[in-house]
Amino acid sequence: DARVTQTPRHKVTEMGQEVTMRCQPILGHNTVFWYRQTMMQGLELLAYFRNRAPLDDSGMPKDRFSAEMPDATLATLKIQPSEPRDSAVYFCASAPRGVTGTEAFFGQGTRLTVV
Amino acid sequence: AQKVTQAQTEISVVEKEDVTLDCVYETRDTTYYLFWYKQPPSGELVFLIRRNSFDEQNEISGRYSWNFQKSTSSFNFTITASQVVDSAVYFCALSDAPISNFGNEKLTFGTGTRLTIIP
Repeated sequence: DARVTQTPRHKVTEMGQEVTMRCQPILGHNTVFWYRQTMMQGLELLAYFRNRAPLDDSGMPKDRFSAEMPDATLATLKIQPSEPRDSAVYFCASAPRGVTGTEAFFGQGTRLTVV
Repeated sequence: AQKVTQAQTEISVVEKEDVTLDCVYETRDTTYYLFWYKQPPSGELVFLIRRNSFDEQNEISGRYSWNFQKSTSSFNFTITASQVVDSAVYFCALSDAPISNFGNEKLTFGTGTRLTIIP
């Protein structure tokens, strides 16, 4: 089965450290999303890309977060420096554009804990 | 701005009972997509259904059924003869994607309904 792969699955880090989360979208999908899930805010969009170009990153704190797609098979979400309030589950999802019968597939998430 | 409201935070029912999860949405767009996702205890998000704003036909898939009513901006989800495996958090979501893109744009999620099926 094709699936979105996220690494690491779990990450515990100290406040102030840099954190990089990685996502391998499904081959052929040209749209990649980053969502964050917290108890307080629920599921919220951080950023998304189409054909590796950012379409919307308005949900992302610009001072410490950055999202990139170095190539079509890899998306990264970086936090520098990390803070305890960044503790959350970060989901990556990918989708094709303009293809009927398909929808966005979510990865299993990266559970980030900042202490 | 788009908004999805799932007023039921938690629901508990005894196994084999029917249960309906409510979803009310707000959007200014005439073209949009509605979704339901399931998040089991393992944490992943599992796609259940997608519906576009031009298709108000109800849909049934096994024990699951969905009722889409544009007049009340609602997209409710019913599980009949519930089972313990249905225990999960269920999210309703909205996308203002053009029809040609089949909803594959950013999603606005509701806050979710935690469903517990009691054996």
